[in-house]
Amino acid sequence: AQSVTQPDIHITVSEGASLELRCNYSYGATPYLFWYVQSPGQGLQLLLKYFSGDTLVQGIKGFEAEFKRSQSSFNLRKPSVHWSDAAEYFCAVVPYNQGGKLIFGQGTELSVKP
Amino acid sequence: DTAVSQTPKYLVTQMGNDKSIKCEQNLGHDTMYWYKQDSKKFLKIMFSYNNKELIINETVPNRFSPKSPDKAHLNLHINSLELGDSAVYFCASSQGTVPEQYFGPGTRLTVT
Repeated sequence: AQSVTQPDIHITVSEGASLELRCNYSYGATPYLFWYVQSPGQGLQLLLKYFSGDTLVQGIKGFEAEFKRSQSSFNLRKPSVHWSDAAEYFCAVVPYNQGGKLIFGQGTELSVKP
Repeated sequence: DTAVSQTPKYLVTQMGNDKSIKCEQNLGHDTMYWYKQDSKKFLKIMFSYNNKELIINETVPNRFSPKSPDKAHLNLHINSLELGDSAVYFCASSQGTVPEQYFGPGTRLTVT
């Protein structure tokens, strides 16, 4: 079945530590790939996107993500986490020929320890 | 300048009532969407309009009726509200075939 999976429901990291949030998708053709962040009580902000080309993409707030076709993955990384990064992170895809419909993963809640 | 705005931000109402949520975007986009985020934070698309024409209509109860008076506005009207309609509703917009979507701040609907 077509799906987007974020295996980690909740992750806690110490401030200054590195971060990797996992995302896997299950679609026949590589979809458009996105990461969004939702701070408590806020809307969704686009962190970065992958459409084609260089498989390592840079986003806002010091985030980057790497597309790996062989693993159907699009993992989000940050080398040094700040307390303000505590939020809910959503991986999402737009499959080809589905009229722009964003399909979201379940989300990963990030907590940051001082 | 707010790119995608929604009103109201909070909406508390009783079962059986009818309510509307409004969305406006000033990005010049031609496609707008409604998403629902449930209590487990799961996000699911409900509707999409392109140039005022409905192009995505997921399996949503027909108590939900979107209306797009022009391509900058997409409103959501909900009839006969039920407890299960309690959620956060997000509006989003995009331009043409570019799938990148920008979201509004959300409307938290509570049905009592």
